[in-house]
Amino acid sequence: AQSVAQPEDQVNVAEGNPLTVKCTYSVSGNPYLFWYVQYPNRGLQFLLKYITGDNLVKGSYGFEAEFNKSQTSFHLKKPSALVSDSALYFCAVRGPYSGAGSYQLTFGKGTKLSVIP
Amino acid sequence: KAGVTQTPRYLIKTRGQQVTLSCSPISGHRSVSWYQQTPGQGLQFLFEYFSETQRNKGNFPGRFSGRQFSNSRSEMNVSTLELGDSALYLCASSPLDLADTQYFGPGTRLTVL
Repeated sequence: AQSVAQPEDQVNVAEGNPLTVKCTYSVSGNPYLFWYVQYPNRGLQFLLKYITGDNLVKGSYGFEAEFNKSQTSFHLKKPSALVSDSALYFCAVRGPYSGAGSYQLTFGKGTKLSVIP
Repeated sequence: KAGVTQTPRYLIKTRGQQVTLSCSPISGHRSVSWYQQTPGQGLQFLFEYFSETQRNKGNFPGRFSGRQFSNSRSEMNVSTLELGDSALYLCASSPLDLADTQYFGPGTRLTVL
């Protein structure tokens, strides 16, 4: 069965510093990986995804993620954090396959990012 | 394009009642999925509909049901509400199937008293 782990419940970073939000996954076959962000009282906003190709994926709002197959990781990064980046971040993997042409997303528990002014 | 819309945004019900939540996907999107988000369990998959057919279902009791209409709009229904059903219910749409990116609505916050 597929799974996603976000080992840090909370990450604190000073404004202007680089940030990393960690994610590791377990899935059979080639992984389809996603990052979403959730602001208070809002739904999830898509940031980026990895399907195939370059291991460094660039997404919205200056975020990027590095896919590492050997370490089964997909860490989210940003070179310079903004206070407005403070939110809840979710890593997700596609799967399992339902057998009817349908997949679901399996999410990690989320990491709360706080950017300190 | 307009995003995914969900109505109502907030709902308060009492135990034993039933509730219906509505989701309008992004125009052209045919797949609609529902998720339940709670602080304890995180985001859990409820079910997915494509062309009016339920193609996938998560591990939720039969009290949770849904349907999709010919215009791709979807509803989910929870009968005999329990306190533990209090959650944020999120709807997501995608263009073809779940292989593509899912775009989420703002959610419906359900409180069961």
